[in-house]
Amino acid sequence: DIQMTQSPSTLSASVGDRVTITCRASQNIYVWLAWYQQKPGKVPNLLIYKTSYLESGVPSRFSGSGSGTEFTLTINSLQPDDSATYYCQHYHNNGGTFGQGTKVEI
Amino acid sequence: EVHLVQSGAEVKKPGESLKISCQVSGYSFTNYWIGWVRQMPGKGLEWVGIISLRDSDTRYSLSFQGQVTMSVDKSISTAYLQWSSLKASDTAIYYCARPRGVTNYDAYNMWGQGTMVTVSS
Repeated sequence: DIQMTQSPSTLSASVGDRVTITCRASQNIYVWLAWYQQKPGKVPNLLIYKTSYLESGVPSRFSGSGSGTEFTLTINSLQPDDSATYYCQHYHNNGGTFGQGTKVEI
Repeated sequence: EVHLVQSGAEVKKPGESLKISCQVSGYSFTNYWIGWVRQMPGKGLEWVGIISLRDSDTRYSLSFQGQVTMSVDKSISTAYLQWSSLKASDTAIYYCARPRGVTNYDAYNMWGQGTMVTVSS
């Protein structure tokens, strides 16, 4: 199984900051990576798919990049509403492995 | 509008069986797959598996293979996740989710509200 490792596990930042979360795959996953946001007690929400495509309705301050084994989620101009846990997910024909999550505190 | 509506919370004893459901509406049911995701209390998301609503083709995570069974009833547009013998470690929220596209390898942009399963003696 391909393993997905996120860093950092927790991130503290201020409103207006630019923050970056990294997700590393144990082998080449090309561009098959998504990012989700989950707030406490809520259902996960898709932010980014296929590494860099913004899901409809998601603010443009969210962006994704990378390929192969290293990927990043960037939040520009962090807002109070961005306080949440963020997960990467590698999706493929036989699975959908999640990273362990990154908690963003503001 | 697309909706995934899951069955309600369950409290079970170890060794009991359970089947939870995910009813879908608002789109052509059989064109898509439905995935299942586990979230244990205070923990992250874990991919359980995915099932084709067209022909019940399944993919299971190695961690869940043999532990759960996914199924579909096309007549009522419902997907199921079931256990034959629950363990305390099955205590979690289980989400159903639909991929963006008609393949099984896509990000999940539609989610059910989650079903809390509590297994306790």
